[in-house]
Amino acid sequence: GEDVEQSLFLSVREGDSSVINCTYTDSSSTYLYWYKQEPGAGLQLLTYIFSNMDMKQDQRLTVLLNKKDKHLSLRIADTQTGDSAIYFCAESLSGGYQKVTFGTGTKLQVIP
Amino acid sequence: EAGVTQFPSHSVIEKGQTVTLRCDPISGHDNLYWYRRVMGKEIKFLLHFVKESKQDESGMPNNRFLAERTGGTYSTLKVQPAELEDSGVYFCASSQALMYGYTFGSGTRLTVV
Repeated sequence: GEDVEQSLFLSVREGDSSVINCTYTDSSSTYLYWYKQEPGAGLQLLTYIFSNMDMKQDQRLTVLLNKKDKHLSLRIADTQTGDSAIYFCAESLSGGYQKVTFGTGTKLQVIP
Repeated sequence: EAGVTQFPSHSVIEKGQTVTLRCDPISGHDNLYWYRRVMGKEIKFLLHFVKESKQDESGMPNNRFLAERTGGTYSTLKVQPAELEDSGVYFCASSQALMYGYTFGSGTRLTVV
């Protein structure tokens, strides 16, 4: 079955880079996502990567995928206080019309 | 474009009572999903509608939970009777076919006391 694991907490100083890690078990996962949840809000899709890609960059965000080790990471460059949130790693077998399996979420605290 | 709307945002009920959560997806989105996050744990899939049909309800925990989607528009999730372990945040999301990722609502925080 599917299982997605993340560390629960990460604290970084403003201006530093943040790296949030995730491992998943389903080797047939096709889409891997990072969602962000700010306090009192819903989940916001930050970025996604297809399983046939190794890396995807989008402004301050870099996603790295090691398919062999089933390891996904999200790097946030120049972390700001507004980046403080819970970040969820997720995977699905196909696109937006199938269920997504989420991790427990990593709470990112940015210290000014 | 209006986002996914959920109502109520918070609900506190006593064990044994009934609660109905509502979700209004983005207009035109055929796919509607319900998820639940119990305190500190992962977000778990409950079920998936395609229009008014239940595509996948494998995540529904038991028969105390009933989801409907009238006319393929809004959806309701009823919990009857509620138990303490039903407490959590219930998220609704919608998507259109071939979209990557969902659009989530802000969630309904349900507390059963």
